[in-house]
This record gives sequence, C-alpha cells and structure tokens, in this order.
Amino acid sequence: QKEVEQNSGPLSVPEGAIASLNCTYSDRGSQSFFWYRQYSGKSPELIMFIYSNGDKEDGRFTAQLNKASQYVSLLIRDSQPSDSATYLCASSGGGNKLVFGAGTILRVKS
Amino acid sequence: DTAVSQTPKYLVTQMGNDKSIKCEQNLGHDTMYWYKQDSKKFLKIMFSYNNKELIINETVPNRFSPKSPDKAHLNLHINSLELGDSAVYFCASSQTTSGGLETQYFGPGTRLLVL
Repeated sequence: QKEVEQNSGPLSVPEGAIASLNCTYSDRGSQSFFWYRQYSGKSPELIMFIYSNGDKEDGRFTAQLNKASQYVSLLIRDSQPSDSATYLCASSGGGNKLVFGAGTILRVKS
Repeated sequence: DTAVSQTPKYLVTQMGNDKSIKCEQNLGHDTMYWYKQDSKKFLKIMFSYNNKELIINETVPNRFSPKSPDKAHLNLHINSLELGDSAVYFCASSQTTSGGLETQYFGPGTRLLVL
C-alpha cells in the first residue's frame, strides 16, 4: 500500500512565527510532491510542488525534499491567521495519480 | 469564470436512490479525475480519464460509474446509494506534460448526504 503520512495536528503557532509541516511517504518510486491548502468547506488549492532534493522557495513558503529519508516538508514564514487551514501533502510516481496524506490542521493564533 | 465546476453543490438523498454528479472544466485540460473526501478529510482518487479514456480505476464499488462524453466533461453516476457514500466528491483536471508534473486543479466539491 503506497502511503503518505502526515501528523493530523492541530499545529498551533503564533502569528509571525514559522510553521513547519511534515510528510513522509512509503513509495520510493515517488517522483514529485505537492502541497495543497484546503480551507474548511472549500476545495484543495495548490501551494507548491517539488521534485528535486533540497529546498524550493516561493514567497513565504519553502518546500523541502529529502528522497533518501522519504521526507517532505513545508515551511511557512511569518505565519498569518489567514494561513489557518488543512495542508495536504501528495506524492506522484509519475503519470496522473496523486496519493494524498490525511492532512495537517494548522492554526495561526493572533 | 469558474475553471472546474461541479453540479450540484449539495445533494441530500435517501438510501437506495440513484444520483449523478456533473463536472466541467474550461481549462482545456486533457485529464479529469474524481476524488472522494470522507469525514476524516482523507482525499482519495476514484477515477481518472485522459481524452475520454479511463486510465485510473481504483478499488471502487461498481455502483459508481464514471462517464466522459468529451475531454471537458466527466460525470459520476452512483447507483443504489448507501450511507457510507456520504462524503464530499471533488472533480479535478490537469494537463499532461512531457515533464510529468501535472498540476491538478480542483472543483468546488459536491457534498453528498445519504439518509
């Protein structure tokens, strides 16, 4: 069973802090990884994707990938209350199929 | 303009009924998907079509039957609805790329409640 695992949280951080969201995957054939944000009652929206080892930055967001450890993370700098949502990690082994984790609930307290 | 749209947004029905959910995308993508998100927020793929051809068919009861009349539309028909079918069903679409990084865009979801 190919799985993506995330801590369900909730992860609570104060406004302005760095939020660190983590994800592990079991399929070593996974090639690319996606972070989606889902607000309550809304659809998932893509934040970032990463497919090379190392860091990838986009604004306040940094995705990190370590294929040897089968570990993906998302850092959110200067966290805002509007960042409060569920963050879904997903892996792809190529092709069209995404395997999602159960998501981590993030709460940013003002 | 809504990129990926679904109808209806809400669906409340009795056990044993048959219902359909419709999805349309105006992004010009060649691949469409159906996902089910249960009460624990776990998002799981059900089906995927590429240019009207079924390419992903996960372990889903055969009461669920997708149909793609063209690459912009993917419908989901559910027969003999059961309580466990209550969930949010998301449609998504993506464009096949040579690099293999197909970003999927999700519709607003259809909230199905079976009583």
